Amino acid sequence: DAGVTQSPTHLIKTRGQQVTLRCSPISGHKSVSWYQQVLGQGPQFIFQYYEKEERGRGNFPDRFSARQFPNYSSELNVNALLLGDSALYLCASSLESDSTDTQYFGPGTRLTVL
Amino acid sequence: AQKVTQAQTEISVVEKEDVTLDCVYETRDTTYYLFWYKQPPSGELVFLIRRNSFDEQNEISGRYSWNFQKSTSSFNFTITASQVVDSAVYFCALRNNAGNMLTFGGGTRLMVKP
Repeated sequence: DAGVTQSPTHLIKTRGQQVTLRCSPISGHKSVSWYQQVLGQGPQFIFQYYEKEERGRGNFPDRFSARQFPNYSSELNVNALLLGDSALYLCASSLESDSTDTQYFGPGTRLTVL
Repeated sequence: AQKVTQAQTEISVVEKEDVTLDCVYETRDTTYYLFWYKQPPSGELVFLIRRNSFDEQNEISGRYSWNFQKSTSSFNFTITASQVVDSAVYFCALRNNAGNMLTFGGGTRLMVKP
């Protein structure tokens, strides 16, 4: 079975632009979470979606938004990009949204903001 | 608030040596879940193990073993007879019973030299 897939793998943008990152969960998984990993640090939680509804949000500005589609895939949008948004963006999927579920991660999208 | 600390930022060993990666966590919850993930240079976080707070039994899986001690809030990870393929960044993470997010430590970069 395919794991979590993300696209694109790499992206280069300039300050002020907008970006959309995409994620497809493992087949049968209904929950998707997004994390930001700045170089040299651990991942930081951005959002969790379950059944198309937002179930949690980390400490990120409103420039960050996301949504989940009926097929459980998800998009992360970042507006008005800043240099500090340069990071690896990881998507994780889990069966449900329970705390007992293990999150499985995709390969990430590496975003560079110039 | 939750916190995970991995005090060792970088460890270097020679192949076949045993190595232990430390993880200390803080949480006010009585029920929580601890995880270890491996991040090779490709960037994808690979799930290794999940441990529930009410199960302090240590676990062994091949060359990997985990020592969970609630009394010291630690969840250490030992690799026996390390191999070059074990070289990666290892993250410890915490999730509480009501939460939907993983709180990660800063990671430990393990380098296994031939």
